[in-house]
Amino acid sequence: ETGVTQSPTHLIKTRGQQVTLRCSSQSGHNTVSWYQQALGQGPQFIFQYYREEENGRGNFPPRFSGLQFPNYSSELNVNALELDDSALYLCASSWGLTDYEQYFGPGTRLTVT
Amino acid sequence: AQKVTQAQTEISVVEKEDVTLDCVYETRDTTYYLFWYKQPPSGELVFLIRRNSFDEQNEISGRYSWNFQKSTSSFNFTITASQVVDSAVYFCALSASLDGYNKLIFGAGTRLAVHP
Repeated sequence: ETGVTQSPTHLIKTRGQQVTLRCSSQSGHNTVSWYQQALGQGPQFIFQYYREEENGRGNFPPRFSGLQFPNYSSELNVNALELDDSALYLCASSWGLTDYEQYFGPGTRLTVT
Repeated sequence: AQKVTQAQTEISVVEKEDVTLDCVYETRDTTYYLFWYKQPPSGELVFLIRRNSFDEQNEISGRYSWNFQKSTSSFNFTITASQVVDSAVYFCALSASLDGYNKLIFGAGTRLAVHP
C-alpha cells in the first residue's frame, strides 16, 4: 500500500449535479496530482496542486476544480456533471516539483446517470 | 509532443508462458522517466518499475524484466513463466516535466489474461 487514501470508494450522481472527491497524501508528500481514467483507457492528467496552489493543468474544462489544504490533503470538485465524467478518479502524491515518482491511491469510481 | 503507445490492447496466454508487453514513447525532453504500473480489477495502480533516461541497463526482478532502448524509444516489459495472478491491465507511463511541474502520460494499457 502507498499510504494514499481516497474517499468515497464509489459514488453515483445524476447529470447536472456537483461532486467532491477527497484525497489524503502519503506522509511527507506536499504535491497531489489528480487523474481521470475512463473505462478502457489510461489515466489522463487533470491538474496538480503544490503547497495549496494549482501548479499545472491538463486539458479539462474549468468545471473541474480543486483545493489543497495545509495538511496537503486535496479535493477534486466537478460541477455540472456530464455522462462522460463517469470514470475512475485517481489521486497521486509526491514530494516537491522534481520528484518524478507518484504514489497512487485506490481511486474513486464515479458513475453519472 | 509527449506520447506513449501500447499497441497491444489485449494479450491472452496460458500459465507458464513468457509474455512481452510493448511500450513506445515520444518525448523531446533529454531527462525523463519511464514507468510500468499494474492495475488489477480493484483499480489501484501498483508501481512496478521506474527507469530514468540515462540508465539503459536492463533490469530483472524475479519473473519480471524490462528492456529499455533509447535508440528505438522503447521500454518493453517481459513476464517469465506467467501466472494467473499476473492477469491485470498494465500501463506504461512517461514522466514529462512541463512548465515547472511533472505529470505522468500513460499509454492506453495492455490487458493481460493468463489462463490456467
